[in-house]
Amino acid sequence: EPEVTQTPSHQVTQMGQEVILRCVPISNHLYFYWYRQILGQKVEFLVSFYNNEISEKSEIFDDQFSVERPDGSNFTLKIRSTKLEDSAMYFCASSRRTLNTEAFFGQGTRLTVV
Amino acid sequence: GQQVMQIPQYQHVQEGEDFTTYCNSSTTLSNIQWYKQRPGGHPVFLIQLVKSGEVKKQKRLTFQFGEAKKNSSLHITATQTTDVGTYFCAGLKVGGTSYGKLTFGQGTILTVHP
Repeated sequence: EPEVTQTPSHQVTQMGQEVILRCVPISNHLYFYWYRQILGQKVEFLVSFYNNEISEKSEIFDDQFSVERPDGSNFTLKIRSTKLEDSAMYFCASSRRTLNTEAFFGQGTRLTVV
Repeated sequence: GQQVMQIPQYQHVQEGEDFTTYCNSSTTLSNIQWYKQRPGGHPVFLIQLVKSGEVKKQKRLTFQFGEAKKNSSLHITATQTTDVGTYFCAGLKVGGTSYGKLTFGQGTILTVHP
């Protein structure tokens, strides 16, 4: 069964450092998303990406965040200067369409900012 | 912005008892999806409801979508220990520049005592 894969599974970084979280969405999917989940809380939308551009972003997704699809298979989330409050589980997801279709979530990357 | 509220936050049941979680959106939804997240895991799609008043069943799970497409419920009959996890509803509103952003409820953490 096709799946969304994310690397690394766990990333520890010092405050102020840049991190790049990587995702390989399912190959025939067209819509890509990043969500995050702070420990014990709900899953929060960060950004959606379609046709090589951001289609929607939340207020969490400020100038410190960026996304890229550099080579047609990978989908990355970059945090330029990490803060303690960026510590969370980051989930990548993809879907074939937007409406009436499920989102497939990756296993997540646990980001710990120290 | 759109908000999705979910209750209860926690539910502890004895194995064999029933369980229900309720979801309410501040706005009319295009559809609603339900996900299950096991401890330490990622959200796994269970089902989506599209039509007003729709009811769907998956074995012991029954999902309902309200007539106004603003509320939903998940009912599990005769819970088993394998049902343990957090159940999230996620509202989808497509239109304008929204390309499938899921707004998650806070989740209901279900524990089942054998």
